[in-house]
Amino acid sequence: EPEVTQTPSHQVTQMGQEVILRCVPISNHLYFYWYRQILGQKVEFLVSFYNNEISEKSEIFDDQFSVERPDGSNFTLKIRSTKLEDSAMYFCASSAAGGVYEQYFGPGTRLTVT
Amino acid sequence: QQPVQSPQAVILREGEDAVINCSSSKALYSVHWYRQKHGEAPIFLMILLKGGEQKGHDKISASFNEKKQQSSLYLTASQLSYSGTYFCGTEKRGGADGLTFGKGTHLIIQP
Repeated sequence: EPEVTQTPSHQVTQMGQEVILRCVPISNHLYFYWYRQILGQKVEFLVSFYNNEISEKSEIFDDQFSVERPDGSNFTLKIRSTKLEDSAMYFCASSAAGGVYEQYFGPGTRLTVT
Repeated sequence: QQPVQSPQAVILREGEDAVINCSSSKALYSVHWYRQKHGEAPIFLMILLKGGEQKGHDKISASFNEKKQQSSLYLTASQLSYSGTYFCGTEKRGGADGLTFGKGTHLIIQP
């Protein structure tokens, strides 16, 4: 069964450093998302991406964040200058279409900022 | 604005039924239900759409009251594997909208 994959599974970085989280969505999916989950809390939407551009973003997704689809398979989330409060599990998700289609989540990347 | 889930936690014996509720103050296009086990990714369970269509899981059912902007997830004859945190995610419009998730309902199934 096709699945969303994410790398790395765990990233430790120092405050102020840049990190890039990588995702390979399901191959025939057209909509891509990033969510984050701070330990013990709910899942929070960051950004959605369709047709090579951001479709929607939340208040969390400020100028420190960017997304890119550098090739036909990868979807990346970059945090330019990490802060302690960026420590969280970051989930990538994809769907075949928006709205009526389920979003499949990847296993997540645990980001720890020290 | 995030949907409100109730109850916050439920403890059941295997074989018992559970109902988890999700309500929103805003008009919704769809409600998505996910289950998450500790340290794992959310797993899709159900989608309910405005207009009554639903897509989902064989052993789990759900309802969506559009007038009240409420959805309920029904788990019947619960199994140990049903344990986890259940999140509802809401969507105000179709397209590439992200989901706004509730705080979750922790479900513990005991043998």
